[in-house]
Amino acid sequence: QKEVEQNSGPLSVPEGAIASLNCTYSDRVSQSFFWYRQYSGKSPELIMSIYSNGDKEDGRFTAQLNKASQYVSLLIRDSQPSDSATYLCAVNSGYSTLTFGKGTMLLVSP
Amino acid sequence: GAVVSQHPSWVICKSGTSVKIECRSLDFQATTMFWYRQFPKQSLMLMATSNEGSKATYEQGVEKDKFLINHASLTLSTLTVTSAHPEDSSFYICSAKQGEGTDTQYFGPGTRLTVL
Repeated sequence: QKEVEQNSGPLSVPEGAIASLNCTYSDRVSQSFFWYRQYSGKSPELIMSIYSNGDKEDGRFTAQLNKASQYVSLLIRDSQPSDSATYLCAVNSGYSTLTFGKGTMLLVSP
Repeated sequence: GAVVSQHPSWVICKSGTSVKIECRSLDFQATTMFWYRQFPKQSLMLMATSNEGSKATYEQGVEKDKFLINHASLTLSTLTVTSAHPEDSSFYICSAKQGEGTDTQYFGPGTRLTVL
C-alpha cells in the first residue's frame, strides 16, 4: 500500500523565519511530487510540483526531492502569517491518482 | 489558467434526499476528474476517478450506487449523493487534470454538504 507520511504538527515559526516541511513516501517508483496548501475550510491549492532530484525554487518556496531517501520537503522563506495553513504532500506513482499525506499544520506568528 | 469550479458551494438537505454536485473545468478540457471527501481535521480521501465518456472507477469501500458519478463532457463531472444521511455530511472536493500528459491536479473550491 502506498503511503505518504507527514508530521501533523503544528509547526510554529515566527514571522520572517524559514519553515521546513517534510514528507516521506513508501513507493520507490514514485515519479511526481506535489505540495498543496489548504486553508481551513477551503480546498487545496497547488503550490509546487517537482519531478527530479534536487531543488526547485518558486518565489519564497523551494521544493527539495531526494528519491534515494524517498523524501520530499518544502521550504518557505520569510514566512508570513498568511502562510499559516495545512500543507499537503502528494505523490503520484505512475497512475492517474495522487496519494496524499495527512498534512502538516503551519502556524506563523507575527 | 487551470480553473475548476464547483456548484453549489454548500448545501443543506433532509435525510433521504439526493444531492447533485457539479464540477467544471472552466478554461481547459479535463478528460479525467477526481472526487474527494474530507471530514473535519482529516486528510483528503479519494472517492473515485471520473473519465469522460466511461464509467467512474471507485475506490475500495466507496459505494458506487450511493455516489453516482457522471462525466458526460470534457468540462463537466457530476457527483450525486443518493438517499443522503447525516453520516454523508462532509466536504466534497473535485479536481481535474489539465490534459493527458500531466498528472497535476487542480482542485475546485469544494462543496460542503450537511444532511439533517
